[in-house]
Amino acid sequence: QQQVKQSPQSLIVQKGGISIINCAYENTAFDYFPWYQQFPGKGPALLIAIRPDVSEKKEGRFTISFNKSAKQFSLHIMDSQPGDSATYFCLYSSASKIIFGSGTRLSIRP
Amino acid sequence: GAVVSQHPSWVICKSGTSVKIECRSLDFQATTMFWYRQFPKQSLMLMATSNEGSKATYEQGVEKDKFLINHASLTLSTLTVTSAHPEDSSFYICSARDGSADSNEQFFGPGTRLTVL
Repeated sequence: QQQVKQSPQSLIVQKGGISIINCAYENTAFDYFPWYQQFPGKGPALLIAIRPDVSEKKEGRFTISFNKSAKQFSLHIMDSQPGDSATYFCLYSSASKIIFGSGTRLSIRP
Repeated sequence: GAVVSQHPSWVICKSGTSVKIECRSLDFQATTMFWYRQFPKQSLMLMATSNEGSKATYEQGVEKDKFLINHASLTLSTLTVTSAHPEDSSFYICSARDGSADSNEQFFGPGTRLTVL
């Protein structure tokens, strides 16, 4: 069974700080690796995504980094804001598998 | 961006009854739709994948006779929870892939909160 290990389970960051969330995977045969943001009672919304031929992608305050040798993806949120408080999920997606990470509850303290 | 709607947004039903949840892609054709279940403070668990015009593929441990999925058109998929029981109470979320786009991106619906009494 393909595993996706997401960490940390919860994270508290001061406003203006950097939030870092990681996902480690086992199989290299992925073709798409997105991060989703979910607010309570809502469906997940795509935040940022990366393909295997790119090592880093930045969109505004959000950066996704890919470490192929470590089989790890990271989401960095710069200048974290209270509105970023939500649960974040990574998603492993290949031709045959779709697996969500366990989620990270992020709280930004004002 | 692509929009996926779900109806109803919440439903309360009695044990033993059946409940139908609709998932619609509003501005694109979805050749593939996915159904997820999410329990409180947990991650999303994929229940099944449905392709328009063919039978759904269920994940291990998901009863196909209990969770009936129909993907009759390129913009509509339905999930029917048959003979619902309290343990079926959960947040059900659908997603869809744009069949015309060269992308694996999934667009998620807002979810349906099911409570079985």
